[in-house]
Amino acid sequence: RKEVEQDPGPFNVPEGATVAFNCTYSNSASQSFFWYRQDCRKEPKLLMSVYSSGNEDGRFTAQLNRASQYISLLIRDSKLSDSATYLCVVNMPYSGGGADGLTFGKGTHLIIQP
Amino acid sequence: SQTIHQWPATLVQPVGSPLSLECTVEGTSNPNLYWYRQAAGRGLQLLFYSVGIGQISSEVPQNLSASRPQDRQFILSSKKLLLSDSGFYLCAWSRRNRPEAFFGQGTRLTVV
Repeated sequence: RKEVEQDPGPFNVPEGATVAFNCTYSNSASQSFFWYRQDCRKEPKLLMSVYSSGNEDGRFTAQLNRASQYISLLIRDSKLSDSATYLCVVNMPYSGGGADGLTFGKGTHLIIQP
Repeated sequence: SQTIHQWPATLVQPVGSPLSLECTVEGTSNPNLYWYRQAAGRGLQLLFYSVGIGQISSEVPQNLSASRPQDRQFILSSKKLLLSDSGFYLCAWSRRNRPEAFFGQGTRLTVV
């Protein structure tokens, strides 16, 4: 079983719509969770951390479901500039607390259409 | 604020040639440093990480090596490149004991 799984998409969404995608992880002892955004041929950039209580940053909402071992990302009022690949990232428990335990999903490709 | 610089942005190298990619971090001390590779259609793979000068941990057996000659400098090297070494190489840093990683702009390496 893959450690972090995402639907690769692409998700084609009209501008202004709401879009959501999930990510599942295999290790129930995972400690930290993140969403990164990666534009075509660019480096990944940290979008937001995912907390147990859920968190919101403007149009973006991230949630964690530990019982079912998935995290989600919701984008409201989508903009053309939201088009990118969204990487689900999980920090595995064997790490020393740094980023050496990060496991990246392959990403979900999102295309916002005018 | 912290910044990370990685160069070159693109590189085309013949099989069997050496490689040296450099990464430097500014605005922080004692960072953890990382080298990742992203191959087409695959997720990011951690190649090396370092918690201090001269301290390198390798995650996968490979044709590459890493060195950390200074606190904020991380170098990825190879003596002889293989075709399979082609990919997008990313340097990253994190604060000590923090999982959030921040990436450099990456080097797109094509071995021909």
